[in-house]
Amino acid sequence: DTEVTQTPKHLVMGMTNKKSLKCEQHMGHRAMYWYKQKAKKPPELMFVYSYEKLSINESVPSRFSPECPNSSLLNLHLHALQPEDSALYLCASSREGGSNEKLFFGSGTQLSVL
Amino acid sequence: EDQVTQSPEALRLQEGESSSLNCSYTVSGLRGLFWYRQDPGKGPEFLFTLYSAGEEKEKERLKATLTKKESFLHITAPKPEDSATYLCAVQAGGYQKVTFGIGTKLQVIP
Repeated sequence: DTEVTQTPKHLVMGMTNKKSLKCEQHMGHRAMYWYKQKAKKPPELMFVYSYEKLSINESVPSRFSPECPNSSLLNLHLHALQPEDSALYLCASSREGGSNEKLFFGSGTQLSVL
Repeated sequence: EDQVTQSPEALRLQEGESSSLNCSYTVSGLRGLFWYRQDPGKGPEFLFTLYSAGEEKEKERLKATLTKKESFLHITAPKPEDSATYLCAVQAGGYQKVTFGIGTKLQVIP
C-alpha cells in the first residue's frame, strides 16, 4: 500500500466554522507533512511531524492547528479561517523525514472559505 | 533563502515532438533535487531524485539531468498522457524542508 488518503476531498466552510482535515498512511512512514497550494502556485510547506513530534512550523497562523495522534494519522484543525485560506491542502509522508527522501502525497482537500 | 525557477511556465507540444523543461536553483548546500508530476486536482507524484552534478535518471519517455546550477527534464516523443504540470523541488540545509518551483504546465496535443 503506497497510498496517502485524505478526507474530505472537498470542504466548504464559513469563517466561524470549526472543521478538521484528516490524513492517513499505512506505509510505516515516520514523517508527515502539511502543504498548502493555491491555484497556479507551488506547494508551500506548513508543518512537519517527525516521529509524532512537530519539527517544523513555517510560521503558520494559529487558526491552523496540526495534530499527529499516531504515526499513521495526521490532522489539521481549522478555526476562524479567512477567504484567503481557500486552497488545496496536501498531506504527504516520507520514510523518516531525512535527507533526499521522496514525498508521497495524497490527492488533497480542496477547501473553500466563504 | 532557497530559490527554484522553472521555465517555461507553459509548453504546448504536438505528440511526438521532443522538448526540455528547465529548473534553475539557488541554494546553500544542495542535498537533492526532485522532479514531481502533478495532475489537476491531485497531489504531486514523485518522478526522480538527483543528488550531484552530472547525474542522469530515466523513466520511460522522461530523462532528468543535473548540473551545478540547473536541472533539465527531457521529454522524448511525448504522448497526450504526459500532459501534466511538472514540478521541480530542492532540499538543502534544513533537510526536512523541500522548496518547490512554480512548475511547467505541459500540454501534448494528439
